[in-house]
Amino acid sequence: DGGITQSPKYLFRKEGQNVTLSCEQNLNHDAMYWYRQDPGQGLRLIYYSQIVNDFQKGDIAEGYSVSREKKESFPLTVTSAQKNPTAFYLCASSIGLGAWEQFFGPGTRLTVL
Amino acid sequence: RKEVEQDPGPFNVPEGATVAFNCTYSNSASQSFFWYRQDCRKEPKLLMSVYSSGNEDGRFTAQLNRASQYISLLIRDSKLSDSATYLCVDFIKPSGYALNFGKGTSLLVTP
Repeated sequence: DGGITQSPKYLFRKEGQNVTLSCEQNLNHDAMYWYRQDPGQGLRLIYYSQIVNDFQKGDIAEGYSVSREKKESFPLTVTSAQKNPTAFYLCASSIGLGAWEQFFGPGTRLTVL
Repeated sequence: RKEVEQDPGPFNVPEGATVAFNCTYSNSASQSFFWYRQDCRKEPKLLMSVYSSGNEDGRFTAQLNRASQYISLLIRDSKLSDSATYLCVDFIKPSGYALNFGKGTSLLVTP
């Protein structure tokens, strides 16, 4: 079955540690995205990538980093510089950057202790 | 980016009721609009697109009013399974990353 997988589903981190969230898709989509969702809030864009080895900052990129070495994979690193990292992180993909339908992974819930 | 505004609710309605959500957008350059559905602690999923001519899919009807810059979602004959958060989304192609999500409207359908 085609889709997007994210791991882990739940992640706990101590303050001051970096942590990497995985996102893999087998939909052969060119574009991939990372969003953050806080309780009662909409999705806010962290980073997006149109193609391998290219990515752009979204609205709230500070304290995050990404890489896009393979078409299928778009990992997100939450660094210790991110002041309030506890949130629900969603990865998405679309056929291309101009395509409006995005398909989401099941999300990773990160809690900083 | 300019906001997409939604009434957060919650909307509590009995089974079988008709319920309507509105959403306003402030960017006149917005080209397309969508409703996504998000179940509790799950990922959002596309519910339907919204066109100027309106769009109907079974019990769901979406409408766009460009003059007033709002879109609506009407759910008829509500089911318990309709309980979820409904996210209003606009799309501006030249902006690159495109999708702009509202904060969502919570719906609870009760027996």
